Amino acid sequence: DTGVSQNPRHKITKRGQNVTFRCDPISEHNRLYWYRQTLGQGPEFLTYFQNEAQLEKSRLLSDRFSAERPKGSFSTLEIQRTEQGDSAMYLCASSPSFGGNEQFFGPGTRLTVL
Amino acid sequence: AQSVTQPDIHITVSEGASLELRCNYSYGATPYLFWYVQSPGQGLQLLLKYFSGDTLVQGIKGFEAEFKRSQSSFNLRKPSVHWSDAAEYFCAVVMNSGYSTLTFGKGTMLLVSP
Repeated sequence: DTGVSQNPRHKITKRGQNVTFRCDPISEHNRLYWYRQTLGQGPEFLTYFQNEAQLEKSRLLSDRFSAERPKGSFSTLEIQRTEQGDSAMYLCASSPSFGGNEQFFGPGTRLTVL
Repeated sequence: AQSVTQPDIHITVSEGASLELRCNYSYGATPYLFWYVQSPGQGLQLLLKYFSGDTLVQGIKGFEAEFKRSQSSFNLRKPSVHWSDAAEYFCAVVMNSGYSTLTFGKGTMLLVSP
């Protein structure tokens, strides 16, 4: 399968714990995006990478959130000291830097904070 | 503020009937426009996109959408709905072409009745 993959698909954690999600984009795509989707809402942009550089961060990305893309390939999103309000679906997408901005989405990681 | 509005939270259509899902955007210039579909447990799949040119665009699964600049709208249509079309549909725009981050509407849930 050459699509975007995300792991884990589901994560249940207790409030105050740290969690980390991984995204593997389509191999030739140098743009990578993270979005968050809560129940009844559309996805909301969190952060964007061009290769290994994090070029844009949303105001939604509090200090407890950090994202990396160390070698311009896979990316990780870490949430420290999770809160119940962090419960959501975390979506990753990738796109090439040419040809029309189409983003390809992974299946998402569903986080439940108890 | 820049925004995307999908005024219908839920729509129920009989199988075989036609479908139109509404989308309006608020932006000073013409954005790039997209429709995505999300089935339960699945990632977002791109149905179609508009960048420029012909204002009527064709997509996958028999969907089409028409861009109307005067109405700031990009409505999605299908002439005959199939039960497998039941899903959530999201309109999205790229308002910052430099980074291509997507701004989504809240989605419209399509229910198909027999």
